[in-house]
Amino acid sequence: QKEVEQNSGPLSVPEGAIASLNCTYSDRGSQSFFWYRQYSGKSPELIMSIYSNGDKEDGRFTAQLNKASQYVSLLIRDSQPSDSATYLCALGLGGGSYIPTFGRGTSLIVHP
Amino acid sequence: GAVVSQHPSRVICKSGTSVKIECRSLDFQATTMFWYRQFPKQSLMLMATSNEGSKATYEQGVEKDKFLINHASLTLSTLTVTSAHPEDSSFYICSARSPQETQYFGPGTRLLVL
Repeated sequence: QKEVEQNSGPLSVPEGAIASLNCTYSDRGSQSFFWYRQYSGKSPELIMSIYSNGDKEDGRFTAQLNKASQYVSLLIRDSQPSDSATYLCALGLGGGSYIPTFGRGTSLIVHP
Repeated sequence: GAVVSQHPSRVICKSGTSVKIECRSLDFQATTMFWYRQFPKQSLMLMATSNEGSKATYEQGVEKDKFLINHASLTLSTLTVTSAHPEDSSFYICSARSPQETQYFGPGTRLLVL
């Protein structure tokens, strides 16, 4: 059984600060990890994918993966009010037949 | 990024009727598509995995005779909610898995059953 745990929040940060979102998982067989952003009433959109230990940076976003500790995090630098959304962590087993499992999501509020 | 479309975006129907939702991948062939349901303030719940040319695989607790899935081509999967009831009212979202195994979501269909 794959489980993905996220703090539901809300996480409130001031504009310009770094927002840190965390996710832990139980299945050590997980190979692929994804962060999605979901605005209220909208479907999720992919922000980052990460497959190996370490950091992966894309613009203001950095994903961090630590398979030994079974956590993956997302850092958002210079947070903007437009970043206010729910962030979903997802993981899969990799290979050609993975079915991703989603966490409940963390609500982020960036206040001016 | 890749584009996945859904139609309709919103539907209101009477209890007992059937509703069909289409999901299309517009710029890649998707051998696998997924159907999710999301109730307010809850996470995505996977309903079924739709494989082109074969029967869908349903998650535990999802009635296959109520939620009919047809993946007729590499770019189209349909979900039909049969004999809809008010408790079926939800946000239905499809996703398509790209050849690079990244999952792209459609914009979702909001279903309201009266």
